[in-house]
This record gives sequence, C-alpha cells and structure tokens, in this order.
Amino acid sequence: EAGVAQSPRYKIIEKRQSVAFWCNPISGHATLYWYQQILGQGPKLLIQFQNNGVVDDSQLPKDRFSAERLKGVDSTLKIQPAKLEDSAVYLCASSLNREETQYFGPGTRLLVL
Amino acid sequence: AQKVTQAQTEISVVEKEDVTLDCVYETRDTTYYLFWYKQPPSGELVFLIRRNSFDEQNEISGRYSWNFQKSTSSFNFTITASQVVDSAVYFCALSRSGGGADGLTFGKGTHLIIQP
Repeated sequence: EAGVAQSPRYKIIEKRQSVAFWCNPISGHATLYWYQQILGQGPKLLIQFQNNGVVDDSQLPKDRFSAERLKGVDSTLKIQPAKLEDSAVYLCASSLNREETQYFGPGTRLLVL
Repeated sequence: AQKVTQAQTEISVVEKEDVTLDCVYETRDTTYYLFWYKQPPSGELVFLIRRNSFDEQNEISGRYSWNFQKSTSSFNFTITASQVVDSAVYFCALSRSGGGADGLTFGKGTHLIIQP
C-alpha cells in the first residue's frame, strides 16, 4: 500500500513570494492533516480536513496561509506571501477516519530567504 | 490545555546499550491517547504505538517497550540492545481521540544517537 505522498520535497523562495505544497493521502483515507514543524520542535497542526470539509483550522494563519481539498482526496497548502518565519518542514498526514492512527508523508522542507 | 514534555533534548549511547526516552504529559481530559513517533533523517514520521488512558498495561514489541504510568503522567519508551538504525528523533504526542482528531500535541522530541 502506497504511503502519503508529498511534493515538492524541497523549496527555496524569497520572502514575499508565494509557494504551494501538494499532498496525496493514503487511498481511502477520509481525514487529512497539515502540520508545520519548525526546526527543533514537534509538529504543530495547521488544518484538518474530513473529506473535502475543514474540521479545524484554528491554528492556520489565515492572513497568509490557505488550504483546500476540493475533491476529498488530494490537498494543497499555499503560503502567500511567505515570511522568513515560515521556514519549516510542512508535513501532511492522513487517517482512515478521525479515530484512527495518523500516517505521515515525508514532508516538504521550505526555506524562505 | 494539553502539553507534552520531553526533557531530554539529545541522548547518545553506544550500540547495544539500553536507553529510555522520557515523556511527561499534562491534560485535563479523563479520556486521552498517547503516541510515540519516530522521525529518521529522511523526515517522515513513523508511527510506533498508541495507548489510551484506560489501558495502563506496559507493552513490549521486540526491542521496544513502553511504560505508561497515570500516577506520574508519564509514558516512557525503552529501546533494549540499541542499534545504529535506531538513531532518529523520537516524538511523544497526546490527543483527545484515538486518531488525534483534534490534532496531535507533540513534545519537542528527543534526538537519539546510537554510536557504533
């Protein structure tokens, strides 16, 4: 069974530019999560989807971050405009449903210069 | 509010030694779940174990074992006869639900270095 796929694996941009990350969850997983992991810290939840609906986006900086999961499968996380403090690894995770274990992708490492 | 503390930032041991990673948590919920994840250099978080608050039995899986003690709010992880491949960052996490439906609250992680 294929795991959670993410792309790109690495991205370098300058501040004020825009960037987008893509996630393809494990087949059949209804719940999808985006986390931000700053160097030296544990991951922090940004947003959670159940199918194509947002369940929790309370920690998403909505002035610059947006995410969608239009068809209830793939998801895209966007930052516009990026700031230096957005440099982090962005992890996508999925689970069969909200009561089941989350499985993580390899992450996208973002560096904002 | 939930909180997870992993006081050990980095541990370095020689291969074949036993090592214990500490995890202390805070929560006001009576029902909660505890997790351990491994993050190797590749960056992917690998699920190791999930435990609910009603099950205080210790668990052993090969060289891995977990000690859950509600009285001290701890969920420690021991690797017996460590191997170089065990080198990684290990995260303890807490959630109100089995799947972390409200999001997992992670500790800052313990970087484990196993020297040959």
